[in-house]
Amino acid sequence: DSGVTQTPKHLITATGQRVTLRCSPRSGDLSVYWYQQSLDQGLQFLIQYYNGEERAKGNILERFSAQQFPDLHSELNLSSLELGDSALYFCASSVDTGSTGELFFGEGSRLTVL
Amino acid sequence: AQKVTQAQTEISVVEKEDVTLDCVYETRDTTYYLFWYKQPPSGELVFLIRRNSFDEQNEISGRYSWNFQKSTSSFNFTITASQVVDSAVYFCALSEPDTGRRALTFGSGTRLQVQP
Repeated sequence: DSGVTQTPKHLITATGQRVTLRCSPRSGDLSVYWYQQSLDQGLQFLIQYYNGEERAKGNILERFSAQQFPDLHSELNLSSLELGDSALYFCASSVDTGSTGELFFGEGSRLTVL
Repeated sequence: AQKVTQAQTEISVVEKEDVTLDCVYETRDTTYYLFWYKQPPSGELVFLIRRNSFDEQNEISGRYSWNFQKSTSSFNFTITASQVVDSAVYFCALSEPDTGRRALTFGSGTRLQVQP
């Protein structure tokens, strides 16, 4: 158990819809990262927050957005969903900005868009 | 160009065989960090090891060992006497804090199947 909690574990929705994925980092960790894992793109970094502020952006679509709240939990919002958004979405956390230490990953949220 | 290349898509071995998973990385930074993660069939990503660019000492942890060679930009992972429980996808990853790429860049992964 990494200590990172993600909900929901599974989600099935239709094209055009909007979903929110939630992540609670390990106790004491200030950084939260979101990754997308799909068969064709592999593990892609989406976005990082550190202590409530956006720290780094990766290959995140404009239809996607995220935020980190004062209690350090984070939410990833996916809107106008397309079939290609079906993937496993991971949240990870680290105590620092992540440059040197390992990331601790949650179990992922599997999104299926029909 | 890919920053982290895992050329082996899938490897199949029989239990007790040794297996090496290759990882080649690309960076211009002098300070960087390399990682290996394991993703078992259950799906979670499990941290295995971190190595910084100034520490080329090889590491052994039980049946696992890692060979870091800056001269060839490689960070290979060997499992000795493989077991069925080693069956998983293994990812190599790179972070480059000096150029702001703190988030891990992952390779495409190598699927290891250990047959009984």
